[in-house]
Amino acid sequence: QVQLVQSGAEVKKPGSSLKVSCKASGGTFSSYAISWMRQAPGQGLEWMGGIIPVYAAANYAQKFQDRVTISTDDSTTTVYMELRSLRSEDTAVYYCAKVRLGGWLDAFDIWGQGSPVTVSS
Amino acid sequence: QSALTQPASVSGSPGQSITISCTGTSSDVGDYNYVSWYQQHPGKAPKLIIYAVTNRPSGVSNRFSGSKSGNTASLTISGLQAEDEADYYCSSYRRSTTLYVFGTGTKVTVL
Repeated sequence: QVQLVQSGAEVKKPGSSLKVSCKASGGTFSSYAISWMRQAPGQGLEWMGGIIPVYAAANYAQKFQDRVTISTDDSTTTVYMELRSLRSEDTAVYYCAKVRLGGWLDAFDIWGQGSPVTVSS
Repeated sequence: QSALTQPASVSGSPGQSITISCTGTSSDVGDYNYVSWYQQHPGKAPKLIIYAVTNRPSGVSNRFSGSKSGNTASLTISGLQAEDEADYYCSSYRRSTTLYVFGTGTKVTVL
């Protein structure tokens, strides 16, 4: 059974960058897609982008494609999400999640515990 | 890239059935049988309860069921229980640069 463990809470200054990690254990890391979502306080879920490690090619939501980079480290089975030029509206809990079947299309069946991020001066 | 539309809140008494709608477009809900539903309790990560419109993952109660008609998907919770009180989100694959879209979320209250 795949498990996803994310890095801890962070406090960032406006204009700085954020890098959140998502370590996968169990399963075959390279074959399934990992997505990143975020949830601002009291708000809904928002898909930011994702990657299939074996292809090492990421897909990004139009809203974030100028500010986000998703990457993988196959040696540690870890997926990273970097968000640049942070502003207060980026304050949210960031989640990684695995797509149920290989590739895209399907649902997110395994979720990380979430990484709370606060952007404040 | 707007979110899928859900009612903000739905409530019901224990034992009753409730239905949550999720309205999208012909580029997402209407075009793909890849609608999923998630349950989220306060302070917790979302949990998958329905995938591919009608399917339940192993371990999810059969009180949860899903359906779709045209651009609208629905989640029905039958035999409502206190533990069902949570936020519920739909999601769909989308024919777009933004591959996935989520619903606006519905708060379910058990009276």
